[in-house]
Amino acid sequence: DAKTTQPTSMDCAEGRAANLPCNHSTISGNEYVYWYRQIHSQGPQYIIHGLKNNETNEMASLIITEDRKSSTLILPHATLRDTAVYYCIVRVGGTNAGKSTFGDGTTLTVKP
Amino acid sequence: NAGVMQNPRHLVRRRGQEARLRCSPMKGHSHVYWYRQLPEEGLKFMVYLQKENIIDESGMPKERFSAEFPKEGPSILRIQQVVRGDSAAYFCASSPDITEAFFGQGTRLTVV
Repeated sequence: DAKTTQPTSMDCAEGRAANLPCNHSTISGNEYVYWYRQIHSQGPQYIIHGLKNNETNEMASLIITEDRKSSTLILPHATLRDTAVYYCIVRVGGTNAGKSTFGDGTTLTVKP
Repeated sequence: NAGVMQNPRHLVRRRGQEARLRCSPMKGHSHVYWYRQLPEEGLKFMVYLQKENIIDESGMPKERFSAEFPKEGPSILRIQQVVRGDSAAYFCASSPDITEAFFGQGTRLTVV
């Protein structure tokens, strides 16, 4: 699986959009980008994933650059409950989702 | 449909005792994974099991740690002769296949 690089921490004002970047410059053509988050003391929670097209669901949007070397997770209207560690993971499509490699992630703090 | 259930949520053991952590997967899920999260670190994959079989234990310490997923009942992660360095959060995830995994709330083991 390709290595990912994320900032250690970020702050965001409540109600504003939170944009979390992830670099994955060695990504292969068959690797997907997945995002998870871990709210304090809880298990990781799946957010969204994509291959090359931008994706949106009820939780977030995922923007993947055309060269696929980086991506951004967007929480459109951050709330205090979105404070968590956010993990960007790259994984080959069809491989076992239960064997993901979690890095250090980005600690997002949403402030009132 | 209840989520992945782990118990106990908190476990305190003295050095040298045994710790048994239980994980009941979601209904219909036959794949179980165990992860360990040391303080201030990311999640590390330990072992992947299907009913009555260990599929991948590449992340398991060579000694004192074992896991099982019997035909009936929960998956068990067993740590013998615990040491202070075993203090961590242990997360279980389950999946119906390899496409996506759902995490439990974790068991926090403290060795005193």
